[in-house]
Amino acid sequence: DAKTTQPPSMDCAEGRAANLPCNHSTISGNEYVYWYRQIHSQGPQYIIHGLKNNETNEMASLIITEDRKSSTLILPHATLRDTAVYYCIVMSSGNTPLVFGKGTRLSVIA
Amino acid sequence: DVKVTQSSRYLVKRTGEKVFLECVQDMDHENMFWYRQDPGLGLRLIYFSYDVKMKEKGDIPEGYSVSREKKERFSLILESASTNQTSMYLCASSSGERNYQPQHFGDGTRLSIL
Repeated sequence: DAKTTQPPSMDCAEGRAANLPCNHSTISGNEYVYWYRQIHSQGPQYIIHGLKNNETNEMASLIITEDRKSSTLILPHATLRDTAVYYCIVMSSGNTPLVFGKGTRLSVIA
Repeated sequence: DVKVTQSSRYLVKRTGEKVFLECVQDMDHENMFWYRQDPGLGLRLIYFSYDVKMKEKGDIPEGYSVSREKKERFSLILESASTNQTSMYLCASSSGERNYQPQHFGDGTRLSIL
C-alpha cells in the first residue's frame, strides 16, 4: 500500500472550513484514498473515501488531484467536536488490515 | 448506518484471568477485525475473520484467540491475561462483497490488567 504524508497538526477557527492535506505520490491505479478520524479515547470513525473523482457526504468533501498524488479533506464548517486526529490512508481494498500513520491533529478553536 | 458494538467501554481484570471481549455488527458484514491500539505503536492487528467459523492471525496473535460462531459476532479471548495486554481494543467490520467499502469501528474497550 502507498504511503501517505500529512502535517502533524493544524488549527481551525470554529465555523470556518478545515482543509486537511494528504500527499500520496506513490498511489497505484487501483488504490482508494480513505479518511478516518479519532477523537480522544474513542474508536476511529470513517469519514469518506474516493478513487479519482471528488466525493461529498454529510460529513465532509474529498478533493483528489487529477494526477491522484494528493488529496484534501474539507470539513465545511468546523465545530469544536471536530477536534480529533485525522488519518489519510491509501489502500486497494477496505478489507485490508488498516495501518494508521501519525495523522494530523486538528484543533478547532472557539 | 453501520453499527459496531463492543460489549464494554472500560474493563478491569486481574493477571491470569480469562477475558472475553465481544463485538457485534448489524450490517451483515463478512469481514471482522480485532486491533489493539497503544500510544506510539498505532493500530496493530490481532486477528481477523472473513467468514463464519474462519479466522486468520494478524501481526500479534500471541496470547489471544478468537471465535466467530455467528456472522454478526466476533469474540476476542485473552486466555490468561497479563499486564502487557493492558490496551485499547478495537473491533471493526467491513463488507466482503464490495471490497472497496471501508472498515467501521466500534467505540473500543479500554482494558486494564492489574
